[in-house]
Amino acid sequence: GQNIDQPTEMTATEGAIVQINCTYQTSGFNGLFWYQQHAGEAPTFLSYNVLDGLEEKGRFSSFLSRSKGYSYLLLKELQMKDSASYLCAVRDSNYQLIWGAGTKLIIKP
Amino acid sequence: ETGVTQTPRHLVMGMTNKKSLKCEQHLGHNAMYWYKQSAKKPLELMFVYNFKEQTENNSVPSRFSPECPNSSHLFLHLHTLQPEDSALYLCASSQAHEATDTQYFGPGTRLTVL
Repeated sequence: GQNIDQPTEMTATEGAIVQINCTYQTSGFNGLFWYQQHAGEAPTFLSYNVLDGLEEKGRFSSFLSRSKGYSYLLLKELQMKDSASYLCAVRDSNYQLIWGAGTKLIIKP
Repeated sequence: ETGVTQTPRHLVMGMTNKKSLKCEQHLGHNAMYWYKQSAKKPLELMFVYNFKEQTENNSVPSRFSPECPNSSHLFLHLHTLQPEDSALYLCASSQAHEATDTQYFGPGTRLTVL
């Protein structure tokens, strides 16, 4: 079966750096997405990786290793507003998105 | 109005009621999706419409009935639901389903079935 694994919850301190990992086993691979979802709100697109390596976008970076079935989202200079759930999703060979259960990130002052 | 909108934002219904959820996208996209999001579980894809044609129905019970009258509007008709159907129902859209396009989500309808 297809599976996406990510930690259920993480805690970090304001101003620090946090890395959220995602491992996947899917039928084919057509890209990996990271979304941010604040409580009670829509998931919003953060990043897309289809080739190996690091994609940087401001305070957020996303890394992909297709051979290892692994990605991470790196958040720098954490702010209180970064408290949210972070969803990892992989597009499989049928172009269907397979989702992880999300990582709830708690930022403490 | 921009993006993807959903109404109502909150809905409480009894098991014998009939209600409908509405989604509208203002992005000029051709694919629309219904997802179910339950606490601490992955998003579950329910239905996919690509150019107004239903292309996916992931073993969803018949008490959920989708309708896509045009590429900008998507409905989810609900009848004789069960308490376990209580969840957040998210609508999303993308340029097309067959391409490697990003999906954009609406804020969801929080459904409670009594």
